[in-house]
Amino acid sequence: DQQVKQNSPSLSVQEGRISILNCDYTNSMFDYFLWYKKYPAEGPTFLISISSIKDKNEDGRFTVFLNKSAKHLSLHIVPSQPGDSAVYFCAASALFGNEKLTFGTGTRLTIIP
Amino acid sequence: DTGVSQDPRHKITKRGQNVTFRCDPISEHNRLYWYRQTLGQGPEFLTYFQNEAQLEKSRLLSDRFSAERPKGSFSTLEIQRTEQGDSAMYLCASSFNRDSYEQYFGPGTRLTVT
Repeated sequence: DQQVKQNSPSLSVQEGRISILNCDYTNSMFDYFLWYKKYPAEGPTFLISISSIKDKNEDGRFTVFLNKSAKHLSLHIVPSQPGDSAVYFCAASALFGNEKLTFGTGTRLTIIP
Repeated sequence: DTGVSQDPRHKITKRGQNVTFRCDPISEHNRLYWYRQTLGQGPEFLTYFQNEAQLEKSRLLSDRFSAERPKGSFSTLEIQRTEQGDSAMYLCASSFNRDSYEQYFGPGTRLTVT
């Protein structure tokens, strides 16, 4: 049972354009959502997060949008840079739990110079 | 702040052998997590410690797996009688602030069972 889904295994975007990565979830108990970036042979690096009480959170070039009714979130990167090429994981956590993270399967983002 | 460290980074072992991995969390973090990642998948939760108490274990953690965090600082994950299906990246993460769910990951230990 995949509770967090990233349906696009890969995405290619021209440098300078906007990258949009999508994530869907099924568990209504999730109330905190995170995006991680992963380079080969390294652990995931935290990028940005959003609580279910918000619908948008921005940090520099990264913005996360949350649509609770659709159980959907997205990560926008603008402008995209070559160093953004990596695998991006969406993760979710439930309040009053142990805060364990449930991850999606990842989207490989390639920025084309 | 040195971040989360894991040792070893790579381990190759023969089926049936025991292996032990170590994780050193960020020093002020009281929560420590173990995850496992296989090819093409996201990390999957294995177990969680708050200080020295192991509070939850996933069904993925069979009886061959054991984890400890004896003094609430570093943690070890042991796999007994390894099987080829245990080949994966084992990731450790830590966190602290109750109001924040961000977990910070180490570089992982890549286990290959031959």
